[in-house]
Amino acid sequence: GNSVTQMEGPVTLSEEAFLTINCTYTATGYPSLFWYVQYPGEGLQLLLKATKADDKGSNKGFEATYRKETTSFHLEKGSVQVSDSAVYFCALSAYRPGANFGNEKLTFGTGTRLTIIP
Amino acid sequence: DGGITQSPKYLFRKEGQNVTLSCEQNLNHDAMYWYRQDPGQGLRLIYYSQIVNDFQKGDIAEGYSVSREKKESFPLTVTSAQKNPTAFYLCASIDRGGTEAFFGQGTRLTVV
Repeated sequence: GNSVTQMEGPVTLSEEAFLTINCTYTATGYPSLFWYVQYPGEGLQLLLKATKADDKGSNKGFEATYRKETTSFHLEKGSVQVSDSAVYFCALSAYRPGANFGNEKLTFGTGTRLTIIP
Repeated sequence: DGGITQSPKYLFRKEGQNVTLSCEQNLNHDAMYWYRQDPGQGLRLIYYSQIVNDFQKGDIAEGYSVSREKKESFPLTVTSAQKNPTAFYLCASIDRGGTEAFFGQGTRLTVV
């Protein structure tokens, strides 16, 4: 089955530091990859996505590149801010042509709690 | 604007009571999902549905029930058989190609 392995947290960084949160996956079919962010007490917001190999998703200064050769989708940001403090989830959905309903259920990593200190 | 809406935002349940959480989407997505999140934890899959009138159990389906009579709607009932229902419940929808996946804002359920 499909799986997502995400860097364990918590991660604590100083403001303006460089951020990397690692995410690797195993999947059959043609996976789309997602990063979601969850602020305290809220639902999950889509941060960025990539739907095919070598695509780069980007949003709010965050980036992630879909690397099929290393089955990875690492999240990066060049200079983090206190407002980036949240929990980040990596996820995948794998489309299989010819399968009964076409898409696989959404599979999540365990989440990484990020705290940025001023 | 297209989106996915959960209601209510907060819900209180008495012991022995069934409660139903609403999830509606107007994104024309085929698949819908219910997840449970406990404090400081990740997401656990309760039920999912990939097509109208069909649904599958997830990893923690005991004490929950769902229906999928319309493409737009996937309500979750937390029954009295669920012994520890206090949690944050999240609904998601995804398109057939698996390239779009969005979440509602969640329902926080508390047993009183």
